[in-house]
Formats: sequence, structure tokens, C-alpha cells
Amino acid sequence: GAVVSQHPSWVICKSGTSVKIECRSLDFQATTMFWYRQFPKQSLMLMATSNEGSKATYEQGVEKDKFLINHASLTLSTLTVTSAHPEDSSFYICSAADNSYNEQFFGPGTRLTVL
Amino acid sequence: AQSVTQLDSQVPVFEEAPVELRCNYSSSVSVYLFWYVQYPNQGLQLLLKYLSGSTLVKGINGFEAEFNKSQTSFHLRKPSVHISDTAEYFCAVRGANTGNQFYFGTGTSLTVIP
Repeated sequence: GAVVSQHPSWVICKSGTSVKIECRSLDFQATTMFWYRQFPKQSLMLMATSNEGSKATYEQGVEKDKFLINHASLTLSTLTVTSAHPEDSSFYICSAADNSYNEQFFGPGTRLTVL
Repeated sequence: AQSVTQLDSQVPVFEEAPVELRCNYSSSVSVYLFWYVQYPNQGLQLLLKYLSGSTLVKGINGFEAEFNKSQTSFHLRKPSVHISDTAEYFCAVRGANTGNQFYFGTGTSLTVIP
């Protein structure tokens, strides 16, 4: 299957700072990327869907000014958590798909801890 | 829209015993179905998927699942589990012609007991 990477794999930051998480599709062109959030012992919650070159579509209840998503190329999407607070601490997972696949390929996730 | 129900949040099973993890879905359209496994602090790894064709799907690590349209189910099975199968398992569904969005179940935590 296709490979999706995320960077960093974990990050610790102070409250009030911003954190950027990168999601890359390494061996295919991802026309669509998804960002999920996962709390301990819970399922994945879709935060937003991004298509290359256009604005992301956010799920209800997700603050678009808080979670900035950029999908500037077919191989890279970024999620920036702005002015992070302890309640933003979570496991963030991205996935990628292109028009020829019937599945999503998931990144390994990023553990964010806000102190 | 589609939705997924995983009836068992936790399943303990002894090593080398068989296991079945249940998944039911609801949808008004044709669907694709998936099972993913997640090990601690890792992303999701695809176990198997049903897109079309044979309703019995074989995946990695000895897992298989059967698509039952009449019962709207896609249960995951393994005839003999190993300690290394201890993980979280997620069932997911997407509409066959409604874009790439997946709908995930709440997950089943499989614990294999030595």
C-alpha cells in the first residue's frame, strides 16, 4: 500500500504557542487528505477534509481558525494548532487518498502534549 | 450518510483461541467496508477491505471477514489468535460512490491472554 508520513511523531509545547504538523504522501499524489483527532481509548474523529489547492472543509464543531489546514501540493498537507491549550493535547492522525484508490492511507500519527 | 456500530468495546480471548469482532453498518447506498488495526501510539494499518466480488475477504495476519448484505454486517474473524494480536480494531465504511469520507466505529479492544 501507499506510504504516508507524519512529522513530528510527538511534540510537547507550552500553552499559547502554535504547532505545525506535516503529513506527506511519499509515493502517490494525494488529491484529498483527511485530519483526524483521537482521544485515549476512543475512535477517530474527523476534523477536516482538504483537497489540494482549495480550502479545507471542516466538520461541525471544529474551529477552523484554531486548526489551520493547508494542502498546497499533492504530497503535503499541514495542520497548525494555533495558540494551543492543554485541552488540545491529543493524538492527531492524517490520511491520504487519490481518485484511483478506494481507501485511505493513514500516517503514523502525532502525539501533541500542551503544558 | 453511513454509520458503523461495533458492538463489543472489549474482547478478551485466550491465546490460540478463535475470535470474532462484530461490525454492523447502516447505509442507503452501496458501501465499501474496511477493518483497521491500531497498535499503541501508532497509526492505523489496513487489515482487509471489501469493495466488491467475493463476500469472504482474507487479509493480513490470518484475519478474514465476511460481508453480509442482508444483515448489514462485516464481522472480523481469526481462527487462532496470538499475543501479538492484542490491539485496537476499527471497522470503517464509505459509500461506494459518495467520495472518500470514511465513517469509523468506536473500536474494539482485543486482549489476548497467555
